[in-house]
Amino acid sequence: DAKTTQPPSMDCAEGRAANLPCNHSTISGNEYVYWYRQIHSQGPQYIIHGLKNNETNEMASLIITEDRKSSTLILPHATLRDTAVYYCIVRNSGYALNFGKGTSLLVTP
Amino acid sequence: DTGVSQDPRHKITKRGQNVTFRCDPISEHNRLYWYRQTLGQGPEFLTYFQNEAQLEKSRLLSDRFSAERPKGSFSTLEIQRTEQGDSAMYLCASSLARWGSTDTQYFGPGTRLTVL
Repeated sequence: DAKTTQPPSMDCAEGRAANLPCNHSTISGNEYVYWYRQIHSQGPQYIIHGLKNNETNEMASLIITEDRKSSTLILPHATLRDTAVYYCIVRNSGYALNFGKGTSLLVTP
Repeated sequence: DTGVSQDPRHKITKRGQNVTFRCDPISEHNRLYWYRQTLGQGPEFLTYFQNEAQLEKSRLLSDRFSAERPKGSFSTLEIQRTEQGDSAMYLCASSLARWGSTDTQYFGPGTRLTVL
């Protein structure tokens, strides 16, 4: 699986959009981009995933660049409950999710 | 649809004791995964099952670790002769894998193990 690079931490004001970047320059054609988040002391929560096209669900939007070398997770209206560690994971059809250290997002009032 | 459940949520044990954790996956999910997470790190894959078959176990941390999924439903993870370094959160995830498509893993709340 391709390696990902994320900033270690980010801040966002409550009510504003949180844009979390991820670089995955070695991604191959059959690898998906997955995003999970983990609120303190809880299990990881699935957010969204995509292959080539942009994706949106009730939690977030995922924007993947045309060359697929980077992506951005967008939380459109961040709330205090969105404070968590966000993991960007590139995965092919293999079994394991390779979590890195993720981005620690702090949403402030 | 209930999520993945794990039992117990917390376990405190003394060094040298054996411990067993249970995971109940989402109903009809055919894959079940175990991960371990130590403080400040992301989850680390340990092993997984497709139905009752354990398809990958080379990343179990030592021969003190073993996992079973006898009927393809719930799974247990056992650690024998626990050591202080085994203190961590043990996470279970499940997914519905179909040929030719990616499967999304859904995680349980975890079991936090403290070895004294």
